[in-house]
Amino acid sequence: ELKVEQNPLFLSMQEGKNYTIYCNYSTTSDRLYWYRQDPGKSLESLFVLLSNGAVKQEGRLMASLDTKARLSTLHITAAVHDLSATYFCAGPTQGGSEKLVFGKGTKLTVNP
Amino acid sequence: SAVISQKPSRDICQRGTSLTIQCQVDSQVTMMFWYRQQPGQSLTLIATANQGSEATYESGFVIDKFPISRPNLTFSTLTVSNMSPEDSSIYLCSVGAGPQDTQYFGPGTRLTVL
Repeated sequence: ELKVEQNPLFLSMQEGKNYTIYCNYSTTSDRLYWYRQDPGKSLESLFVLLSNGAVKQEGRLMASLDTKARLSTLHITAAVHDLSATYFCAGPTQGGSEKLVFGKGTKLTVNP
Repeated sequence: SAVISQKPSRDICQRGTSLTIQCQVDSQVTMMFWYRQQPGQSLTLIATANQGSEATYESGFVIDKFPISRPNLTFSTLTVSNMSPEDSSIYLCSVGAGPQDTQYFGPGTRLTVL
């Protein structure tokens, strides 16, 4: 069964800086998800990465997937305070499954 | 996309009682999933609710503690039985939109057990 490891778990950064969150997973996965969660809220879908080399961008966030390295990254460009949230990566428990295994999450705080 | 609603949004319950959480989806789906998020933690899958068959539970979760109903393709309930303070969590239902799409989550039910 898939295991997902995120790092860092906590990230404090200044506005305007760049940083990357890493998501390593243990076995071959046909897709990888990124979610955002604000305090007291549910999960908001950010990206679905479906193939090796996939890159998706939305605003200041860019996600990529390297299936050979079993690694996905979420890159933050010129961070702003509104990006403060917890970010989760998740993958299917096994190929073809819709059941998800989540990483522990990265709590991002962007300071003015 | 899928729009999911949950009831109640939050509740405070006494130890030893049970709470049933409802999940309604705006379209017909084959599988619905129930997750638990303990305070400050990540999400853990409790079970998969299949229409027309018994729910399938993940390791560490049992039907006696978390009975699930799935009467039709748009609705499911999760009951948290004989609650203890350790059951205090956010409970979320989710549905998949297919292998090429994301999985959508409901707004969650925040449960506090005293």
